[in-house]
Amino acid sequence: AQKVTQAQTEISVVEKEDVTLDCVYETRDTTYYLFWYKQPPSGELVFLIRRNSFDEQNEISGRYSWNFQKSTSSFNFTITASQVVDSAVYFCALSEFTGNQFYFGTGTSLTVIP
Amino acid sequence: KAGVTQTPRYLIKTRGQQVTLSCSPISGHRSVSWYQQTPGQGLQFLFEYFSETQRNKGNFPGRFSGRQFSNSRSEMNVSTLELGDSALYLCASSLEQAYNSPLHFGNGTRLTVT
Repeated sequence: AQKVTQAQTEISVVEKEDVTLDCVYETRDTTYYLFWYKQPPSGELVFLIRRNSFDEQNEISGRYSWNFQKSTSSFNFTITASQVVDSAVYFCALSEFTGNQFYFGTGTSLTVIP
Repeated sequence: KAGVTQTPRYLIKTRGQQVTLSCSPISGHRSVSWYQQTPGQGLQFLFEYFSETQRNKGNFPGRFSGRQFSNSRSEMNVSTLELGDSALYLCASSLEQAYNSPLHFGNGTRLTVT
């Protein structure tokens, strides 16, 4: 079974629209970390955010915000007022304390149309 | 500060050959992880090295091996190449053990097996 599920394979939005990328995870650990990474067309994955399992506070960074809900095992990512430069593949990842490795979702390809 | 450097960027090999990929982590980073990225499987964890010791290994056959040197540089070797080994191989470094640290990725080595 997939430990990290990103059900949205591809999303297209028009510039300035808001978009939410979904991430659902599965773990039995009580200590774990969740991450989002961005992979632009150039190919290099870029770290966006880390959240540990004990911190359910939502976070906002500029146009980016993250909603972590343990009750639904979700860690969703919202881009407000999307821009063309946001076009990329976004990966959600889970890291378990006991597992000692990262599990990546299959990614969501976001295209922002000007 | 220089980022993660992977060499070579592109490789073309034939079935049955072996290949060695190189990764230089960010200065001061002691953990190096390797991932295989393919369109069908996404990002799959190969192994992680920390202070020259393999800390964890993903579900790949023994043809995939690696090592880390005292300067934290890492190499990955694939022997008896198969067509299915064609992929983008990504190296990532982190300051400490990978499970709770943001990963910093290189641009990858694109391996094509013919």
